[in-house]
Amino acid sequence: QTVVTQEPSLSVSPGGTVTLTCGLSTGSVSTSHYPSWYHQTPGRAPRTLIFSTNTRSSGVPDRFSGSILGNKAALTITGAQADDESDYYCMLCMGSGIYVFGTGTKVTVL
Amino acid sequence: EVQLVESGGGLVQPGGSLRLSCVASEFTFSNYLMHWVRQVPGKGLVWVSRIKRDGTSVSYADSVKGRFTISRDNAKNTLYLEMNSLRVEDTAVYYCARSPPNSYSMDVWGQGTTVTVSS
Repeated sequence: QTVVTQEPSLSVSPGGTVTLTCGLSTGSVSTSHYPSWYHQTPGRAPRTLIFSTNTRSSGVPDRFSGSILGNKAALTITGAQADDESDYYCMLCMGSGIYVFGTGTKVTVL
Repeated sequence: EVQLVESGGGLVQPGGSLRLSCVASEFTFSNYLMHWVRQVPGKGLVWVSRIKRDGTSVSYADSVKGRFTISRDNAKNTLYLEMNSLRVEDTAVYYCARSPPNSYSMDVWGQGTTVTVSS
């Protein structure tokens, strides 16, 4: 069974930078997995941040950026703000129309 | 405003069935792939199923394969999820989500509908 792993929790200071990663139990993450990133606050539906590794969704500020770092997908928040405090999920396309979400990262801004 | 609205959730006994609907508005529904994603409250997102624009190709997570059926009616701008042989572990909030062609991602999400499987 494929497992997509993320850090359970990360913290960042206001104005600081934090990088979340998204790894794959069966090997390396590449652009062929079309990594995408979503954030979600309690009781709300998810919202899309990044798709196809590094393309920001409409209206997403440029302090959010996506990349491949080593063998993982990454989401970097630069100049963190208080309302960036949220749960963040990556998702990978595994081929044949199958997708897997990551385990999620809770980001705290303090 | 582009919108997805789910309905059909509720309380059902183990072994029972339920059909979820997701009505799309303010965009050309037939131009988009569609997904179902679920989430146990307090837990992470889980991808459930996907259907291509014309409904000819579908895919499922292993946990629901053989029990759930995704379908769509492009004339009614509606996505469905037929859920049979429901288990306690299917209890979750179910979201439908839109996926632009070739994006391999979701860009618009519904607000979710809650399914509770319990005796």
